[in-house]
Amino acid sequence: KNEVEQSPQNLTAQEGEFITINCSYSVGISALHWLQQHPGGGIVSLFMLSSGKKKHGRLIATINIQEKHSSLHITASHPRDSAVYICAVSYTGTASKLTFGTGTRLQVTL
Amino acid sequence: DVKVTQSSRYLVKRTGEKVFLECVQDMDHENMFWYRQDPGLGLRLIYFSYDVKMKEKGDIPEGYSVSREKKERFSLILESASTNQTSMYLCASSLFSRGQDTQYFGPGTRLTVL
Repeated sequence: KNEVEQSPQNLTAQEGEFITINCSYSVGISALHWLQQHPGGGIVSLFMLSSGKKKHGRLIATINIQEKHSSLHITASHPRDSAVYICAVSYTGTASKLTFGTGTRLQVTL
Repeated sequence: DVKVTQSSRYLVKRTGEKVFLECVQDMDHENMFWYRQDPGLGLRLIYFSYDVKMKEKGDIPEGYSVSREKKERFSLILESASTNQTSMYLCASSLFSRGQDTQYFGPGTRLTVL
């Protein structure tokens, strides 16, 4: 069983919709990362957070340490947001190593 | 602008061949990582290196070895390729720090072993 669980696995939305992707993990972490992977393979780090909330443009990431849960929100979604979104965690004492969820495939249509 | 490059985007090899995948980063990062990515399994860590000539096994090191002779270069070696090593291979690097690191990824190498 993966220690990092993401939901949903697949998501289809219409342009302009508000999107939420969820991530839960099982034990205490030092940081949680959200990454984006476009078709073709390249992975880009979107956020790294250990508490609270971060915002970058239309993307918002939140984390609740007590509930061991994080969400990635996309406001006013656009077809160019279509990608796989991956949640990953680093554990205390192993700050450089990441454990990954299996990803959420998002398709935004016109 | 940070950059991680991988030697090939696509590679086709035969069972039993020795395969070298190379990764170079230009950010003077201490840490470098090799992952494989398979459908339904996500990214899994094969090996990582936290300094020149230093390496540590990840979650799935069997069938692989690595080499880090220079800080900027981290090589993944498949001593005798097998069909179950057909996968997407991704290299990443991060700056060593006491805090949390952002990892920077290369474009990936899609390896097919026939």
